[in-house]
Amino acid sequence: KNEVEQSPQNLTAQEGEFITINCSYSVGISALHWLQQHPGGGIVSLFMLSSGKKKHGRLIATINIQEKHSSLHITASHPRDSAVYICAVSGRAAGNKLTFGGGTRVLVKP
Amino acid sequence: EAEVAQSPRYKITEKSQAVAFWCDPISGHATLYWYRQILGQGPELLVQFQDESVVDDSQLPKDRFSAERLKGVDSTLKIQPAELGDSAMYLCASSSQGGTEAFFGQGTRLTVV
Repeated sequence: KNEVEQSPQNLTAQEGEFITINCSYSVGISALHWLQQHPGGGIVSLFMLSSGKKKHGRLIATINIQEKHSSLHITASHPRDSAVYICAVSGRAAGNKLTFGGGTRVLVKP
Repeated sequence: EAEVAQSPRYKITEKSQAVAFWCDPISGHATLYWYRQILGQGPELLVQFQDESVVDDSQLPKDRFSAERLKGVDSTLKIQPAELGDSAMYLCASSSQGGTEAFFGQGTRLTVV
């Protein structure tokens, strides 16, 4: 079993729809990261969370430390949101290295 | 805005040849990571540096891969000889000492033919 599990693996939505991506982890962490990767591109950090909820524009990230679960929400989705969204966790015991989930491929159709 | 620089962006090489990638982290970042991302999968750590010292290289295939960060600033990852299975995106990231947020470069996409 992977230490970081994401669901779904693939997601297709119509423009304007509300999107949720889930991430569960099985190890102790110091922070959870949501990352975005466009096709052929590098990785951009969207959020780093250790508790609660963060919001940036149309993106909202939440984390429940007790349940070891996080969600990334995209409100009013747009075709430019089409990308791979990756959940990763870091732990001080591991030298802050990131352990990645497999990613969720999101396609938003106009 | 400070960013992690990587070069080249793309590299095509024949199997059994040597190939090298370069990474320049954000100025002042003590920790540097090299990750490999096979198409359709999440990245996996190859090597982590703290300044010029290797902290974790447990997943680095040491028979063909080597990494160095001689002055604790920029870093080079080398593969010799390259194999077809090495085709992947190689990502470099850096973070400040004690920091948990990592900043990623654009990556080098390697194709071995």
